[in-house]
Amino acid sequence: NAGVTQTPKFRVLKTGQSMTLLCAQDMNHEYMYWYRQDPGMGLRLIHYSVGEGTTAKGEVPDGYNVSRLKKQNFLLGLESAAPSQTSVYFCATLDTPYEQYFGPGTRLTVT
Amino acid sequence: RKEVEQDPGPFNVPEGATVAFNCTYSNSASQSFFWYRQDCRKEPKLLMSVYSSGNEDGRFTAQLNRASQYISLLIRDSKLSDSATYLCVGGGGATNKLIFGTGTLLAVQP
Repeated sequence: NAGVTQTPKFRVLKTGQSMTLLCAQDMNHEYMYWYRQDPGMGLRLIHYSVGEGTTAKGEVPDGYNVSRLKKQNFLLGLESAAPSQTSVYFCATLDTPYEQYFGPGTRLTVT
Repeated sequence: RKEVEQDPGPFNVPEGATVAFNCTYSNSASQSFFWYRQDCRKEPKLLMSVYSSGNEDGRFTAQLNRASQYISLLIRDSKLSDSATYLCVGGGGATNKLIFGTGTLLAVQP
């Protein structure tokens, strides 16, 4: 089992460009989450999904969109990247009770 | 005020030392608490859950005090391999959202 995988691992974008981060899981978990991690800020929840076809906003959703068309995939989109979105992005799934499994992360730099 | 607060450290301790991390949370509705470990440039991984009755896993002991809204982690006989960032986490509820503290950096010195 691969667990939780994220694509790509690294990316450099110019301001205004768009991109999609893909999270895939093979554990059949219902809940999936996107976080960003910045120095001194900890992990902050961007969006989450409680099941296929559902999405909801987290703590810092502005500038991001998500989709969960298939249970195993959770996509995070940046429509018009800004330097403030330079961060490490982690996807996670949830196994009850409450153990979150994280992907290896995507390091994004916006110049 | 952050919902989950912890001392960022760093805690520099010699091998074999006992070290304690503390964490406070502000949302009294939080139902579940955890300690996660994050190695440099890696993803967080669950270390242990925290219960009011306290729980122990080898050299690690976690404790929850709901009245004081306080969580602790004790590491005994520190090893070099314990060097990492320790994240205090609270959450639960219908959406199973977890709130992460900013983490405490531990550096165990030889």
